[in-house]
Amino acid sequence: EDQVTQSPEALRLQEGESSSLNCSYTVSGLRGLFWYRQDPGKGPEFLFTLYSAGEEKEKERLKATLTKKESFLHITAPKPEDSATYLCAVPNSGGSNYKLTFGKGTLLTVNP
Amino acid sequence: SAVISQKPSRDICQRGTSLTIQCQVDSQVTMMFWYRQQPGQSLTLIATANQGSEATYESGFVIDKFPISRPNLTFSTLTVSNMSPEDSSIYLCSVLPQGAGEQYFGPGTRLTVT
Repeated sequence: EDQVTQSPEALRLQEGESSSLNCSYTVSGLRGLFWYRQDPGKGPEFLFTLYSAGEEKEKERLKATLTKKESFLHITAPKPEDSATYLCAVPNSGGSNYKLTFGKGTLLTVNP
Repeated sequence: SAVISQKPSRDICQRGTSLTIQCQVDSQVTMMFWYRQQPGQSLTLIATANQGSEATYESGFVIDKFPISRPNLTFSTLTVSNMSPEDSSIYLCSVLPQGAGEQYFGPGTRLTVT
């Protein structure tokens, strides 16, 4: 069974304090890994897609990396507006690319 | 990308009643999906809304409970029927634009069943 596990469940940082969020997955034949950001009361907002081990993507203070077993979302010098829940998802193995298995997310709080 | 709207944004409903949620996209898309996000849980795919044919439901979800319509390439509805408190959740629609690998989500509908 496909599984996506995110850690930690919650992370509290001071503004400027860099850290990383983890997404580990078990799926046969990875066909992509997606990162989303979700603000309270809103739908997930697409951030990155990673397709192969060693790939990296960056956007402002965020950098996503991928290995064969996990992905990291690195947050450099975060600001309070980076506070959100970060979700990762992978396409189900053996099925169509659009059937996604999501992790439960990491709730990030950045204090000023 | 795509701009997606949902109606209503939230509702409080009585047990045993039904609620229909609307999802509107600003461009034509073939692939449209409905998800459920229960408190403290990850997003779970309910079904794929197919234009011109019946929706394709995931394991654990049935058409009688979650009937879906997809009359055209920009619009879909999800009905939550005969509701119970266990149906309290956020319901999200998403689309997969042609040529894109990632899905885009609507703002969600927060449903509370009393």
